[in-house]
Amino acid sequence: QLQLQESGPGLVKPSETLSLTCTVSGGSISSSSYFWGWIRQPPGKGLEWIGSIFYSGTTYYNASLKSRVTISVDTSKNQFSLRLSSVTAADTAVYYCASLLYSSGSYSYFDCWGQGTLVTVSS
Amino acid sequence: QSALTQPASVSGSPGQSITISCSGTSSDVGSYNLVSWYQHHPGKAPKLMIYEVNKRPSGVSNRFSGSKSGNTASVTISGLQAEDEADYYCCSYAGSSTWVFGGGTKLTVL
Repeated sequence: QLQLQESGPGLVKPSETLSLTCTVSGGSISSSSYFWGWIRQPPGKGLEWIGSIFYSGTTYYNASLKSRVTISVDTSKNQFSLRLSSVTAADTAVYYCASLLYSSGSYSYFDCWGQGTLVTVSS
Repeated sequence: QSALTQPASVSGSPGQSITISCSGTSSDVGSYNLVSWYQHHPGKAPKLMIYEVNKRPSGVSNRFSGSKSGNTASVTISGLQAEDEADYYCCSYAGSSTWVFGGGTKLTVL
């Protein structure tokens, strides 16, 4: 059973860089059956897909965040990471990592999620 | 890439059926059968309830069903139970390996 767990600072200052790591257990991050994604939920708002990464390093980003986002993968540690630069209060959110499963000929749905971690942007 | 449109809230009494809609465009919901639905209890990890429009993962009650017509997808919950009270989010593939979520619907079981 795949399990994902986010970790990282819960408080980031405005203009600085938010950094989070997702540790995958119960399976290999190098599996071709998965892309790995970051999704966030600002307080009182809906979910927003941030971006996804394949174990080879191929990445796809939400166009609205692309200039500030970097997602990377460390297969030796079974982890993938999120960096979001130049943060503002609008980036305050619960950040989730999730696995995007290959099904029926395409990467199809987010089948497993971490519990989420709240990141607050404040001085 | 705009968020999919869901009603902010729906409610129903135990035993009743409710339907939550998810309106997108011809670039996302209308073009791909890659719509999924997630149940989210605050403070917990979102849970997959429906994938590929109308498929249920193992372990999800058959009271949950999904459908799609044109640019709008829907999830129906029949025989409402108190435990169904949660936030529900739809998600669709939007092309070019990108994804878009709905704004979420709060389901209240009266």
